[in-house]
Order: sequence, then C-alpha cells, then structure tokens
Amino acid sequence: DQQVKQNSPSLSVQEGRISILNCDYTNSMFDYFLWYKKYPAEGPTFLISISSIKDKNEDGRFTVFLNKSAKHLSLHIVPSQPGDSAVYFCAASAVVTSGSRLTFGEGTQLTVNP
Amino acid sequence: GAGVSQSPSNKVTEKGKDVELRCDPISGHTALYWYRQSLGQGLEFLIYFQGNSAPDKSGLPSDRFSAERTGGSVSTLTIQRTQQEDSAVYLCASSYPWAETQYFGPGTRLLVL
Repeated sequence: DQQVKQNSPSLSVQEGRISILNCDYTNSMFDYFLWYKKYPAEGPTFLISISSIKDKNEDGRFTVFLNKSAKHLSLHIVPSQPGDSAVYFCAASAVVTSGSRLTFGEGTQLTVNP
Repeated sequence: GAGVSQSPSNKVTEKGKDVELRCDPISGHTALYWYRQSLGQGLEFLIYFQGNSAPDKSGLPSDRFSAERTGGSVSTLTIQRTQQEDSAVYLCASSYPWAETQYFGPGTRLLVL
C-alpha cells in the first residue's frame, strides 16, 4: 500500500528553467508534507515543508504547492541550477494518528543540464 | 557536532551474523527515528523514540530487529542473524519534540553476503 507516490522516476531540465516535481498521496489524515533532497552516499537533506492548512510555501528558489482536494503536492525550483541535480523525496506525516513518522515516496531523480 | 552522525558508514557482514548500527542525534533533539532504504526503494520507517521510550515500533520487519536508546541520546539498532534481504542503507533522523521536520544522518550501508 503505497500511500505516497512519485510517479516520475526521473526528470531532466535545462539550467535556468523551472523544475516541477510531483507527488500524490492517498491518506487523507496526512497533515504535514516535506521535500527532501538526497545526493549519492549522503543522507536526505530537508528542503521545504508545508502544513495542510496552507496551499503554498516559498523559500528562495523553492516553492511547494499543496492541493488537498486532489491530494497532490508539487515542488517548483526556479531557476534550476546544475547543483540541484539529486534525488528528491516527497514525505508526509499524520501527526494526530501516527505521530511524526514520515511516509516517503519512491523519489524522483532530477538532472539539471548546463 | 552540528548534525546527526551514524557509524559505521559501511558494514559488510556474513549471513547469520549480528550487527549493531549506531546513531548520535543532534544535541537537544529528543525524538529519534530509524528508517531504511533498500535498493531502488523509498525510505521505510522502522522505529521512533521519544526520549528513551519507543512508542512506535511498528516498522520493524521482524523480531530479529531491535533498537534501544539510552540517556535520551545515542541509539543502537541491532539486527540479529542477518539475512541477505537486510542489505540496505539504514538512516537515522532526529527532531525536536513533536516537531515535524526531521534531520537525517548520512546512513550506514549494510551489505549481507
């Protein structure tokens, strides 16, 4: 039962363009969502998060959008840079019912070409 | 140290042996989590500590897996009688109490031959 899904295993964009990474979830109890970036042989690094009471959160080049009715969130990176090339994981938690344990998607490999 | 640390960074063991993986959380973080990532998979929750107690052990895959935490700080994940399917990257994360954002260590890469 995959409660968090990232349907695109890979994405390739040109430097300077927008990268859009997508994530869908099925558990309506999820109330907090996070994006992590992971380089090879390193642990995931926290990027940005959003609470279910919001529909947008912005931090520099990174913006996360949440559409609760569609159970969909997306991460926008503008402008994309070669150093952004990494695996991006979407994660969700349902604090009220499951505590703070995170449920992760399978990840999307982003490649930003110079 | 500033971040979560884990040791060893790599571990190769023979099937049937026991292994111990260690996690040092960020100072002041009372919540500690263990996850694992098998080849080609996403991260899978194993166990959660709040202080020294583990209110959620539901992700441990079998009774060969156990974890403890002492002094509200260091945690050890033990895998007894390792099997080849235990091969994975084992990741530890920590956070402030009841905080949603977890910070991850670099992981321990376990290979069971």
